[in-house]
Amino acid sequence: AQSVTQLGSHVSVSEGALVLLRCNYSSSVPPYLFWYVQYPNQGLQLLLKYTTGATLVKGINGFEAEFKKSETSFHLTKPSAHMSDAAEYFCAVYSSASKIIFGSGTRLSIRP
Amino acid sequence: GAVVSQHPSRVICKSGTSVKIECRSLDFQATTMFWYRQFPKQSLMLMATSNEGSKATYEQGVEKDKFLINHASLTLSTLTVTSAHPEDSSFYICSARDGTRNYNEQFFGPGTRLTVL
Repeated sequence: AQSVTQLGSHVSVSEGALVLLRCNYSSSVPPYLFWYVQYPNQGLQLLLKYTTGATLVKGINGFEAEFKKSETSFHLTKPSAHMSDAAEYFCAVYSSASKIIFGSGTRLSIRP
Repeated sequence: GAVVSQHPSRVICKSGTSVKIECRSLDFQATTMFWYRQFPKQSLMLMATSNEGSKATYEQGVEKDKFLINHASLTLSTLTVTSAHPEDSSFYICSARDGTRNYNEQFFGPGTRLTVL
């Protein structure tokens, strides 16, 4: 069975600082991995996805994530945080049962 | 492309009434749609999976008689919360899977905020 674990329910960084949101996955098959962002009272927006191929995946809004099989990780990064990045971020894995399994989420706050 | 809409975006109802939420795929055919529930400051919990023309498959612990799901066409699925009570108040999000894409990517709707008084 597949699962994802997001380390840190809340991350706070200063504007302009590096953003690092951690995600580890468990999967018995090659995983499809996703990062979604959710702004208050809105649905989910896909930031980026890893299916096959290049392990460094670039997404929207300057975010990127690297698939590391040896570490079973798919951490999300952005070199320089912007105030508009404040939101809830969900890591997810596509399961063998054709369902998306979400992590518990990480709330990102940006300090001026 | 790949837009999913939900209607209504917000609904307030009295306890005991039923509420219907629509989920539409606007520019693709969705053979499968999913319904999620999200409590404040929590993750999305899958409630059920619906395939066009067949009965929905509910996750463990979800009352199928309470949450009626209909997937009558390739672009529309509905969730009806029957005899709603305050504990049903939540944010409901649907997603639709585009079966033409290689990895069956899901696209999410904007969500419906249900408040039961």
